[in-house]
Amino acid sequence: QITLKESGPTLVKPTQTLTLTCTFSGFSLSTSGVGVGWIRQPPGKALEWLALIFWDDDKRYSPSLKSRLTITKDTSKNQVVLTMTNMDPVDTATYYCAHWGPVTDFDYWGQGTLVTVSS
Amino acid sequence: QSVLTQPPSASGTPGQRVTISCSGSSSNIGSNTVNWYQQLPGTAPKLLIYSNNQRPSGVPDRFSGSKSGTSASLAISGLQSEDEADYYCAAWDDSLLFGGGTKLTVL
Repeated sequence: QITLKESGPTLVKPTQTLTLTCTFSGFSLSTSGVGVGWIRQPPGKALEWLALIFWDDDKRYSPSLKSRLTITKDTSKNQVVLTMTNMDPVDTATYYCAHWGPVTDFDYWGQGTLVTVSS
Repeated sequence: QSVLTQPPSASGTPGQRVTISCSGSSSNIGSNTVNWYQQLPGTAPKLLIYSNNQRPSGVPDRFSGSKSGTSASLAISGLQSEDEADYYCAAWDDSLLFGGGTKLTVL
C-alpha cells in the first residue's frame, strides 16, 4: 500500500525559504522507473506542477519556478524534500507530494499541506 | 490561464451521461498521453484515467477517457451524486500541465 504525507511549516513570511518534506511508504525510490513529485493548489484554483525527482536522481522543474525550486531525495529515509526560495503571498497554496509511475504518472497523492505566506 | 483548456463547469442529473473536454496543442495532448484526476471537495486529487483511456484498479467503468488529435474527453455515464467534484486533465509538454479544472454539479 503506497502512502505519502507532507510535512512542513503552515506559515512562512515573505522572502523566506519554504522547506517541505514528503515521507512515503509502500515503495522505494531506488526502484527503476519510480519518481516523487510536488504539485500545489492555491485556494479555489487549479493544480500546478512544481517538481519531480526520479529513482536515478534525475530532476525536472516547472520552467516558471525553476530558479526558486530544489528537490532532493533521501532514499534511506524514504523522504523527498522540496525547497522554494523567496516566498510570496501568491505562493499560498496546498502543497501535495505524489508518487510517479512511468505509465500512470502521478497515481498516489498525499493529503496535502496548506502553506500560508503572510507577514 | 491554463494551456490545457477545460470548461469551468458542467452539470447533469442522476443517471445521465456527461462529458468534459480538454483542449491542448500539438506539443502537449497532440504528442503525449492524457491523465484525468477527480478531486472531491476538501480532498487530494485521485487518478481517474491514465494513458488517455486506462482506468486504475478500483475506478468504476462508468468513467472513460478518449483522445483525438489535440483534444481529450472524460465521459461519466450513469451519473451519481458522489461524482460531484472537480475534474482535471493533465498532459506533458516541456513540463507537466494541468487543465484549469471543471466543476461537475449533479443536479
